[in-house]
Amino acid sequence: SQQGEEDPQALSIQEGENATMNCSYKTSINNLQWYRQNSGRGLVHLILIRSNEREKHSGRLRVTLDTSKKSSSLLITASRAADTASYFCATPYGNKLVFGAGTILRVKS
Amino acid sequence: GAVVSQHPSWVICKSGTSVKIECRSLDFQATTMFWYRQFPKQSLMLMATSNEGSKATYEQGVEKDKFLINHASLTLSTLTVTSAHPEDSSFYICSATDRHWGNSPLHFGNGTRLTVT
Repeated sequence: SQQGEEDPQALSIQEGENATMNCSYKTSINNLQWYRQNSGRGLVHLILIRSNEREKHSGRLRVTLDTSKKSSSLLITASRAADTASYFCATPYGNKLVFGAGTILRVKS
Repeated sequence: GAVVSQHPSWVICKSGTSVKIECRSLDFQATTMFWYRQFPKQSLMLMATSNEGSKATYEQGVEKDKFLINHASLTLSTLTVTSAHPEDSSFYICSATDRHWGNSPLHFGNGTRLTVT
């Protein structure tokens, strides 16, 4: 199965609300990455958090990492309609980067 | 910086024909490129890893004779779907990196929507 699993599978919120997505993984990692994919497009890198970091911010994005629980969360604050996309976590696994199942976020205006 | 161009963005072909998809790194040298396949509303499935000047490494279950990958230069990798069939219809995405991929972000192309009729 996937190295990373995400929940929820889908999330629908109103513009201005916060959105939280969670990712769990199975093996030890040296970093975890979050990507966004707009419909029918490639992926865009959002944040990379290293195993010795617990929290990282980038604009309206906040990522946390708990290596003891093998989990990470992505928080988008003050969401906008343009944040509507699929969000994936990804972790190095062997000789490849494995992506989680993704969370489909819909922000209603 | 770090732009990856993928072409074509969509293609329709007839069953039995071959289709070539190009992936170019425009402003950096891509030592490693990855090819993924994505089904609707699903995650990315890694098909193969290609390193410049060497043979691609295919994931288990991916037919290397059907999905030919060539990484002849540091800025170009191609994926050729040979003798395409309707079940090959999918969204194909490439990504590239100029560093040790495990510790740095991947840069993605915009994907190619392949429809086999």
